[in-house]
Amino acid sequence: GDSVTQMEGPVTLSEEAFLTINCTYTATGYPSLFWYVQYPGEGLQLLLKATKADDKGSNKGFEATYRKETTSFHLEKGSVQVSDSAVYFCALNGEDTGNQFYFGTGTSLTVIP
Amino acid sequence: EADIYQTPRYLVIGTGKKITLECSQTMGHDKMYWYQQDPGMELHLIHYSYGVNSTEKGDLSSESTVSRIRTEHFPLTLESARPSHTSQYLCASSVPGQGNYGYTFGSGTRLTVV
Repeated sequence: GDSVTQMEGPVTLSEEAFLTINCTYTATGYPSLFWYVQYPGEGLQLLLKATKADDKGSNKGFEATYRKETTSFHLEKGSVQVSDSAVYFCALNGEDTGNQFYFGTGTSLTVIP
Repeated sequence: EADIYQTPRYLVIGTGKKITLECSQTMGHDKMYWYQQDPGMELHLIHYSYGVNSTEKGDLSSESTVSRIRTEHFPLTLESARPSHTSQYLCASSVPGQGNYGYTFGSGTRLTVV
């Protein structure tokens, strides 16, 4: 079945460091891929998405490229800020899952000044 | 600006009590979901609904029940709360047939059973 494997955390970075959070997926067909962010005490918010191969999703300085050849959707940011401290979830919605999402286990990011 | 609302945000309740967690959305979405989020942050789907009078159990077995009498309302009920039910509960909704628009999540209810 469909699944998402996400880099385990926690991740601690200094401000202005480069961020990569790895995400790979297993799915039949052509799923849509997403990154969600959860700030402390809040629900999940959609950060970015890509719906077909080679698409790049971007938002708030974060980027992720849908790589079908490597079944990956890694999240990157060139210069993180303290306000980026949160938990990040990779997710997919497969073609045949009836709009049901599959989430990764989440990666906690802490950015220190 | 949230279009999906969960109440209460925090709840501390004694063992054996009956509780209902509320979830309402104003977007007219047919599909709604309940997730349980454990302390390790992982999300587990416990219930979902594809429309009025439609409810299904999710991947994680749960002692809770849900109802969907109105499109906008998807409450979750625990008939007899136990300490093992202590968790964060997240409600979400989506537009049918448009999975590439993603889910919209509420802010969650953090439940503690003592």
